[in-house]
Amino acid sequence: QVQLVQSGSELKKSGASVKVSCKASGYTFIGNSINWLRQAPGQGLEYMGWINTNTGNPTYAQGFTGRFVFSLDTSVNTAYLQISSLKAEDSAVYYCARDVNFGSLDPWGQGALVTVSS
Amino acid sequence: QSALSQPASVSTSPGQSITISCTGTSSDVGGYNFVSWYQQYPGKAPKLIISDVSNRPSGVSNRFSGSKSGNTASLTISGLQAEDEADYYCSSHTSSNTLVFGGGTKLTVL
Repeated sequence: QVQLVQSGSELKKSGASVKVSCKASGYTFIGNSINWLRQAPGQGLEYMGWINTNTGNPTYAQGFTGRFVFSLDTSVNTAYLQISSLKAEDSAVYYCARDVNFGSLDPWGQGALVTVSS
Repeated sequence: QSALSQPASVSTSPGQSITISCTGTSSDVGGYNFVSWYQQYPGKAPKLIISDVSNRPSGVSNRFSGSKSGNTASLTISGLQAEDEADYYCSSHTSSNTLVFGGGTKLTVL
């Protein structure tokens, strides 16, 4: 079946970096973009941007430029989100999701909890 | 890009119908027929329940329906059941070639 499986929870200190992976299976990875979102505890979904799996070109939403990097390794059908200079406010569950048609996201990964401590 | 506007919470009784609104601008909801709705249970990943304004993915109950008028999209859930109690989010494609999401609506089935 089509699924996205994300890496596990991470506990990091402020100022450190983290890399979250999102491994796709059950479909042809190249062709549908991968989108990234986050959800802070008790809050709504926050859209971070997307990466074109044909070209590897990333597009970042407002507020997610500079410290956030989307990348791919098409040889292992995996997308990555790297966040540098982590801040406490980056503590959240990070989701990847496949875009099936101009923003219809399906499926979603199970989420990866990133906790930033000072 | 400002978030789409949704009511923070709605509630109703089992068996009733409810409509959740999602208001954007001509640069997102009003400009494209690419509005989606997601259902999220606590501690779980969101699930797509409506795509392209009104299309139901395979396996989604026909009690869920979507529509749009101008800059406002709507999700209607009919014959409410206890299992429908969840958070609901709308999203739209935007003129910046990104997505924008609503703040989410907590549905309580009394």
